[in-house]
Amino acid sequence: DIQMTQSPASLSASLGETVTIECRASEDIYSNLAWYQQKPGNSPQLLIYDANSLADGVPSRFSGSGSGTQYSLKINSLQSEDVASYFCQQYNNYWTFGGGTKLELK
Amino acid sequence: EIQLQESGPGLVKPSQSLSLTCSVTGYTITSGYDWSWIRKFPGNKMEWMGYISNSGSTNYNPSLKIRISITRDTSKNQFFLQLNSVTTEDTATYYCARSPLLQWFDYWGQGVMVTVSS
Repeated sequence: DIQMTQSPASLSASLGETVTIECRASEDIYSNLAWYQQKPGNSPQLLIYDANSLADGVPSRFSGSGSGTQYSLKINSLQSEDVASYFCQQYNNYWTFGGGTKLELK
Repeated sequence: EIQLQESGPGLVKPSQSLSLTCSVTGYTITSGYDWSWIRKFPGNKMEWMGYISNSGSTNYNPSLKIRISITRDTSKNQFFLQLNSVTTEDTATYYCARSPLLQWFDYWGQGVMVTVSS
């Protein structure tokens, strides 16, 4: 199994701030990585696929980067509607997920 | 608009079987894509359980292989999860989701919480 280690587990940030969440894979996943946002009571929403491709309808303040085993999700100019949990998922070999990051407003 | 909706009992007794339905609207499950079940445990760990492809083939997480079955009813555009011999460790929120071949999940259901308890 490919293990996905996501950090931090929780994060507190101010409106307008830039936030970065990271995922580390236990082996090279060749950019086969997606990021999702999940708000309480809602289903996960795809944000990023193929490590850096923005899904349809996702604001451009979200971006993804990385390669090999190290990946990150960046949110520029944090908005109140970005308060949510975020998780990564690899699809290089079956599917495994990161542990999630809960983002709150400071 | 593509929508997935899970349904099924919210409480299952230990050693029994868990059965859930995913009803899909806005897309025909035989037209393409893979159709998965994913669960999220208390504490937020997520696990992919298995999928049924648009052609009807299945693929399961090896950790569940002896207990899981995913089937479908194409006339109703639904697919199903059966998980046998459940224990309290199967308590989770269960989601159905769609993915392009072996890739990301682009549509998810709302999820259904299932508690395994006597």
